[in-house]
Amino acid sequence: IAGITQAPTSQILAAGRRMTLRCTQDMRHNAMYWYRQDLGLGLRLIHYSNTAGTTGKGEVPDGYSVSRANTDDFPLTLASAVPSQTSVYFCASSDSGESEQFFGPGTRLTVL
Amino acid sequence: RKEVEQDPGPFNVPEGATVAFNCTYSNSASQSFFWYRQDCRKEPKLLMSVYSSGNEDGRFTAQLNRASQYISLLIRDSKLSDSATYLCVVNFRATRNQFYFGTGTSLTVIP
Repeated sequence: IAGITQAPTSQILAAGRRMTLRCTQDMRHNAMYWYRQDLGLGLRLIHYSNTAGTTGKGEVPDGYSVSRANTDDFPLTLASAVPSQTSVYFCASSDSGESEQFFGPGTRLTVL
Repeated sequence: RKEVEQDPGPFNVPEGATVAFNCTYSNSASQSFFWYRQDCRKEPKLLMSVYSSGNEDGRFTAQLNRASQYISLLIRDSKLSDSATYLCVVNFRATRNQFYFGTGTSLTVIP
């Protein structure tokens, strides 16, 4: 692994289903983030984690949960997907809460 | 009011032209400023950080005006490869873990 990876690349999901988006980084960054990007709205922060074992809510956390069991992994879970969660999801990491962020390639999620 | 606002464009400029983008932010206690570049259907990538004294990287110059609460990006001698969406990003002191992104400015450089 080099940098930050996300899986799956894309997914079509039925409404009401549970879905976990995976994110892994190998840069030993302390902070990790989940964003969604929608046309006309830009990137919006869903959840973040300053360090392993801690998480925080971003701008649009409802309907999503995260965990940070270790430094490398930061999965995002949709407990019961709804069509409004159709979006492109980007995971990012940074060395600290103020330094530049590095982004994964994104997951395109469609909820029908 | 949005925390970060950008003119969405699109900006269509000929090769070799100079183009400038501005971005305004709402919180005077902002701490860190960045310009990211995003190609179609790809992830954002850091173009440059923006420092108080302004900074330059080749054809790209970034400026910060704290009094007027805006940052700017100047691209000189535009190349076809500069075609992308440019995102303004601000980190506020009070919520230092939260980065606020502008919606982006679309640039197309025309041959």
